[in-house]
Amino acid sequence: ELKVEQNPLFLSMQEGKNYTIYCNYSTTSDRLYWYRQDPGKSLESLFVLLSNGAVKQEGRLMASLDTKARLSTLHITAAVHDLSATYFCAVDGNDMRFGAGTRLTVKP
Amino acid sequence: EPEVTQTPSHQVTQMGQEVILRCVPISNHLYFYWYRQILGQKVEFLVSFYNNEISEKSEIFDDQFSVERPDGSNFTLKIRSTKLEDSAMYFCASTSSYEQYFGPGTRLTVT
Repeated sequence: ELKVEQNPLFLSMQEGKNYTIYCNYSTTSDRLYWYRQDPGKSLESLFVLLSNGAVKQEGRLMASLDTKARLSTLHITAAVHDLSATYFCAVDGNDMRFGAGTRLTVKP
Repeated sequence: EPEVTQTPSHQVTQMGQEVILRCVPISNHLYFYWYRQILGQKVEFLVSFYNNEISEKSEIFDDQFSVERPDGSNFTLKIRSTKLEDSAMYFCASTSSYEQYFGPGTRLTVT
């Protein structure tokens, strides 16, 4: 059974700092997704990573995928308050499995 | 910009009642999904649908659940006899390739 583990589950960081969220998964997959969810809202697609070594960047967020290590990272550069949200990774096996989410709070 | 829509936004029902949650996927998308999210928890896959049939379903998607595409635009999730533990946000998503677009969700409250 495909398992997806995210860490940390909670992250409080100061504006301007950098940090990385990790997503490990247990079985082979070539598709990994990152989503953002604001409180009470739906999921917003951030990145779709389709191959080993894939790296995508959008603003202060950069995602990468290492299929051999079964690891994806979401790196936050110079965090700002607007990035406060919950971030989920999801892996597409036979079905889509989500990590537990990382609740990010960026403080001034 | 095209978007996935869902109705109703909030549904309150009594235990044992049937509910139908409705979704209108993006018009040229071919793959459709239902997910649920119990408050404060992770998103759980329920079912995927392609070419008018279920392609994958999770262990959550038991005989109480069914999906249908009754016409060219709607995609529905039916829960036959709701239980208290069915209370959650239900999200519909659609895709034409890899990126899934999520609807705003229906909050189902079972009392």
